[in-house]
Amino acid sequence: EVQLVESGGGLVQPGGSLRLSCAASGFIFSDHFMDWVRQAPGTGLEWVGRSRNKASSYTTQYAASVKGRFTISRDNSRNSLYLQMNSLKIEDTAMYYCARVSPDDNGDYVAFDYWGQGVLVTVSS
Amino acid sequence: DIQLTQSPSFLSVSVGDRVTITCRASQGISSYLAWFQQKPGKAPKLLIYTASTLQSGVPSRFSGSGSGTEFTLTINSLQPEDFATYYCQQLDSYPLTFGGGTKVEF
Repeated sequence: EVQLVESGGGLVQPGGSLRLSCAASGFIFSDHFMDWVRQAPGTGLEWVGRSRNKASSYTTQYAASVKGRFTISRDNSRNSLYLQMNSLKIEDTAMYYCARVSPDDNGDYVAFDYWGQGVLVTVSS
Repeated sequence: DIQLTQSPSFLSVSVGDRVTITCRASQGISSYLAWFQQKPGKAPKLLIYTASTLQSGVPSRFSGSGSGTEFTLTINSLQPEDFATYYCQQLDSYPLTFGGGTKVEF
């Protein structure tokens, strides 16, 4: 059974740092793209960034709103995905989800098929 | 960035109704569109990907269509468990973006 479990959220002051973790199980972690998506309270979904799979050399991609402040990494020996968040702003307050991305029949990674339960990050003084 | 505009934002319906939600992209995205369902306090759930492919385990009353810039999610014979917010997502180009959501309510 595929499971994704996020941890590491909490309250942090503006300008502070936080590291989120996403523990994966039930599938071959290195085979999949893994993404972070966030949702500010009462609002819609915002894509944060991506860690590609082994075949794509684990390269990363970020939304402009977090580029230079957030870093996505993975530890394939621990089947874990991470989101290092630095220089946090009030507008980073959100529920953060990790999601597994799977390929379609053409090999395009287009299906966000499993999501974690989310972890809340609150940036406030 | 590619903007996705969903309509309507809110939909007042009844059990058994046929529901249609539209998602328009600011530029062509081929068929790189997905639909999600989200219930309060829960993570989004994938319903449809590549515009019309039904995710495994999703009831067949859900269907998707469209390509280019206009897409549709249809729910035939709405069930009580279908009351939720629905989002479209484009995966044609970075940054990946989501529509603003459509809340389906009683």
